[in-house]
Amino acid sequence: DTEVTQTPKHLVMGMTNKKSLKCEQHMGHRAMYWYKQKAKKPPELMFVYSYEKLSINESVPSRFSPECPNSSLLNLHLHALQPEDSALYLCASSQVGRGSNQPQHFGDGTRLSIL
Amino acid sequence: DAKTTQPNSMESNEEEPVHLPCNHSTISGTDYIHWYRQLPSQGPEYVIHGLTSNVNNRMASLAIAEDRKSSTLILHRATLRDAAVYYCILRPLIQGAQKLVFGQGTRLTINP
Repeated sequence: DTEVTQTPKHLVMGMTNKKSLKCEQHMGHRAMYWYKQKAKKPPELMFVYSYEKLSINESVPSRFSPECPNSSLLNLHLHALQPEDSALYLCASSQVGRGSNQPQHFGDGTRLSIL
Repeated sequence: DAKTTQPNSMESNEEEPVHLPCNHSTISGTDYIHWYRQLPSQGPEYVIHGLTSNVNNRMASLAIAEDRKSSTLILHRATLRDAAVYYCILRPLIQGAQKLVFGQGTRLTINP
């Protein structure tokens, strides 16, 4: 069991649907992250939130819209996705402010399939 | 971001030690060496990190070369549960939240 909880675990959606991925942590971490992982590839960063503010956007298409409503929650809103967006979406969290020593804690991901 | 090079795959036997190498010849003086692993159907998991000195924790040991251009993750007694993809990642000393840049990693197979 991980300390970062992602829901749903699996999601199948059509290209015209709107859905949201959710991530929750109760470790008091003030940084939260979204990564995307295609099959047999390493994870790639999408977004970073620090103290509930977006601090890094890795040039992600606007059909992905992140939201951090409070320090424990992170959402990823999806709209008009393409088949190539099918992947495992990973959420992570970490402490902030102590430099690069702080490990990131990952959830087990949402496996997304676009029909 | 400084680059790391790892073998694509390695194989070992259960209950034997495993040495996973990582080359990082362009490492800068303030880069920390981090290791994560990803078990099948799970998210990545932090294993260990270090700067210059060798490090030990309950999961593994990290041996860092004197010139810091390479490091080795050591699993002292592999179990079947250690079968995973192992990622060696360099992280600069920067305050605040920062991304992890994953390379291709080493896929470790453990034989019973």
